[in-house]
Amino acid sequence: QQQVKQSPQSLIVQKGGISIINCAYENTAFDYFPWYQQFPGKGPALLIAIRPDVSEKKEGRFTISFNKSAKQFSLHIMDSQPGDSATYFCAASTPSGSRLTFGEGTQLTVNP
Amino acid sequence: EPEVTQTPSHQVTQMGQEVILRCVPISNHLYFYWYRQILGQKVEFLVSFYNNEISEKSEIFDDQFSVERPDGSNFTLKIRSTKLEDSAMYFCASNYFIQETQYFGPGTRLLVL
Repeated sequence: QQQVKQSPQSLIVQKGGISIINCAYENTAFDYFPWYQQFPGKGPALLIAIRPDVSEKKEGRFTISFNKSAKQFSLHIMDSQPGDSATYFCAASTPSGSRLTFGEGTQLTVNP
Repeated sequence: EPEVTQTPSHQVTQMGQEVILRCVPISNHLYFYWYRQILGQKVEFLVSFYNNEISEKSEIFDDQFSVERPDGSNFTLKIRSTKLEDSAMYFCASNYFIQETQYFGPGTRLLVL
């Protein structure tokens, strides 16, 4: 019940296209959902995060869509660029918990 | 911009040896974490630390692991008797408050032979 399921495992898009990564969770106590971006050899870095009181959050080219009833959330990267090529992890945590539970990761490749 | 630092960047050790991984969290942060990432797999939570004690730990964090904040700046993860399956990238993270952004260090790649 603590798991966060992420798909797809890998994604290839053309420059300028839209990248969409999906996550699903079971634990209804989760109330904080960040997305992390990781480049090879680096630690994960926060990209954008959402709480379930809103259904969408946008920051620049990055948007999180959140569906509380379906227990799903997704990351949309608009106008994808080669510099966006990285591994993306969704994550979740509970109000009282300090741990982040990560999804399996999506390796995104944006072709020029 | 403040950042989490970790040393060493790489460590190779023999099975059964003790290793200590070191982290310097961001200076005004109060919560400290260790995660690990086995090659090609997801990031897994090990332990969180607040007010000089463990606040949460995962099932991975067994008696072979311990954490310490020996002074006002360092945060360490000790593995007492390393196993082959401990080979992974270990990340330290910190934040000022629960559910605020956790800032990750660059990691220590541990290889157990």
